[in-house]
Amino acid sequence: AQSVTQPDIHITVSEGASLELRCNYSYGATPYLFWYVQSPGQGLQLLLKYFSGDTLVQGIKGFEAEFKRSQSSFNLRKPSVHWSDAAEYFCAVAPSQGGSQGNLIFGKGTKLSVKP
Amino acid sequence: DSGVTQTPKHLITATGQRVTLRCSPRSGDLSVYWYQQSLDQGLQFLIQYYNGEERAKGNILERFSAQQFPDLHSELNLSSLELGDSALYFCASSVDWTGGTDTQYFGPGTRLTVL
Repeated sequence: AQSVTQPDIHITVSEGASLELRCNYSYGATPYLFWYVQSPGQGLQLLLKYFSGDTLVQGIKGFEAEFKRSQSSFNLRKPSVHWSDAAEYFCAVAPSQGGSQGNLIFGKGTKLSVKP
Repeated sequence: DSGVTQTPKHLITATGQRVTLRCSPRSGDLSVYWYQQSLDQGLQFLIQYYNGEERAKGNILERFSAQQFPDLHSELNLSSLELGDSALYFCASSVDWTGGTDTQYFGPGTRLTVL
């Protein structure tokens, strides 16, 4: 069965510092990969997605993610974090084979705190 | 604003009761997905409808049911509620049914508290 692991439950970074949130997936082939962000009291907003092609994907709000097949990873990065980036971040996969219905499988999330 | 609306925002009820959560998808989207977010289980897929028909089922309890109406809005019915059903329930919508390559847009959620 497919699964997603986000090893870090909570990360604190200083404003202006770089950020990397880790995501590992388990799937027989290359799945479709997503990062969503959830601000307090809000729904989930899509930051970026990977289907195929260039393994470095650019998203909104200055985020990017790199797909590494050999490591089954899809880590999210941002070169300089802003206080408004404090939120919870979710990595998700959707199966790419087998007549997928497309439901997303989410990791447990990483809560990001930003120090001034 | 994703364009997906959910009502009500908050719902407080007692064990054994039944509630209905409502979702209106983005204009033009035919697929609706329901997810449950709880502290212990995280975000879990419950069920998907496409153009009025059930497409996929996830970890949805038998006490829960859903439907999608001709105007494409969807309702999630939760019955015989238990304390453990307290959670945030999200609706998402997408244009197509495949979901994998089709972006899902999430509503703000309905927070259900069962006392």
